[in-house]
Amino acid sequence: KNEVEQSPQNLTAQEGEFITINCSYSVGISALHWLQQHPGGGIVSLFMLSSGKKKHGRLIATINIQEKHSSLHITASHPRDSAVYICAVSRGSEKLVFGKGTKLTVNP
Amino acid sequence: DTAVSQTPKYLVTQMGNDKSIKCEQNLGHDTMYWYKQDSKKFLKIMFSYNNKELIINETVPNRFSPKSPDKAHLNLHINSLELGDSAVYFCASSQDHPRGQETQYFGPGTRLLVL
Repeated sequence: KNEVEQSPQNLTAQEGEFITINCSYSVGISALHWLQQHPGGGIVSLFMLSSGKKKHGRLIATINIQEKHSSLHITASHPRDSAVYICAVSRGSEKLVFGKGTKLTVNP
Repeated sequence: DTAVSQTPKYLVTQMGNDKSIKCEQNLGHDTMYWYKQDSKKFLKIMFSYNNKELIINETVPNRFSPKSPDKAHLNLHINSLELGDSAVYFCASSQDHPRGQETQYFGPGTRLLVL
């Protein structure tokens, strides 16, 4: 089993819908990262968090350290949000370990 | 001004050849990384350098050799290319030591196809 599990693997939504992507991990971590990979292949870091909640525009990321779980929410989704969203965790000085990604498609 | 740049963007080559991919960052970061994304889009770290010193070396065949001439550059040389090396290779950088609590900035990726 992968150390980082994401759900769902694929998600299709209509424009305007509220979207949630989940990430669970099985080890203690120092930080959790949410990344976005565009259809063209580029990767952008969205959030890095070790506790609580962060918000940037229509994106919100939360983490529950006790439950080893994080969620990425997108409010008022738009077709330009279509991308693969990747969760990754780090443990102290160790490398990032990635989930397999969630492919989001937002239809107009 | 591209923060993390990679060259080339596409690389098509024959099995057995030797090739290099170059990465440069103009962010003043201390740490640079190489990641491999396989055909199933799964990302995995290969190497990490901090101030030109190797910090992380995953279980990667020794045909892969990273070289960091200075902290702004981290190149990846691959000897005797194999079909299984076909993937997208991403370079990234972050500030300070890779404790895992620094945001990483990714290059655009190099799509390598070995025929």
